[in-house]
Amino acid sequence: GAVVSQHPSRVICKSGTSVKIECRSLDFQATTMFWYRQFPKQSLMLMATSNEGSKATYEQGVEKDKFLINHASLTLSTLTVTSAHPEDSSFYICSAPKTSYEQYFGPGTRLTVT
Amino acid sequence: SQQGEEDPQALSIQEGENATMNCSYKTSINNLQWYRQNSGRGLVHLILIRSNEREKHSGRLRVTLDTSKKSSSLLITASRAADTASYFCAASAGGTSYGKLTFGQGTILTVHP
Repeated sequence: GAVVSQHPSRVICKSGTSVKIECRSLDFQATTMFWYRQFPKQSLMLMATSNEGSKATYEQGVEKDKFLINHASLTLSTLTVTSAHPEDSSFYICSAPKTSYEQYFGPGTRLTVT
Repeated sequence: SQQGEEDPQALSIQEGENATMNCSYKTSINNLQWYRQNSGRGLVHLILIRSNEREKHSGRLRVTLDTSKKSSSLLITASRAADTASYFCAASAGGTSYGKLTFGQGTILTVHP
C-alpha cells in the first residue's frame, strides 16, 4: 500500500514556542490532506483540510492563526502549532487520500508542551 | 464535524470468544471504514464497506452496514490477545469530501489470554 510519513514522531517543546509537523505522501500525490488531533483515550477529531495551492479549510472551533497549515507541494503538508501551550499537547495525525476509497494515515506525532 | 457513537466503549473478553462492536453515524455516507489503533500508535485500516454493501468479510473480520438505521457493526471472531486495541469506525461522505472522515468514539477491546 501507499505510505504517508510524519516528522517528527515525537516532540517536546516549551510553552510559547512554535512546532512544525510535516506530513508527506511518499509514493503518490495528494492535492488534499487532512489533519486530525487525538487527546488521550479519545477519538480523532478533524482539525482542518489542507489544500495544495489554496488556503486550508478549518473545522469549527479550530483557530486558524494558532494551527497554521501550508500545503507546499503535492506531497507535503505542514502543520505549525504556534505559541504552543500545555493544552495543545496531543497526538496529531495526518492523512492523504490516494483515491476516493483509499486514504492513508501517517504514524502520528506526539506533541508535549511543558 | 459531529462524531458518531460507538458501543460498547469498552469490551473485555477471553481469547477465543467473539467481539462485536457497534457504530452509529449521523449523516449520509459514501462508505464506512473500521480502523484499529494500538495504544499510542497510528491507525491501521481494517476494512471498508461501501454504502451499497450490506456485509463484508476479511479474514476473522465481518462488517455489516445498515444505512436505514445509520449503523454498522464489526465482528471479530475467535479473538486473540493480539487483538487488544482500540477500534474506531469512520464515516466518509464521499463526493467532494472524499478522504474526510468522521470518527466514532471508539471501543477499547481487551482480550485476555
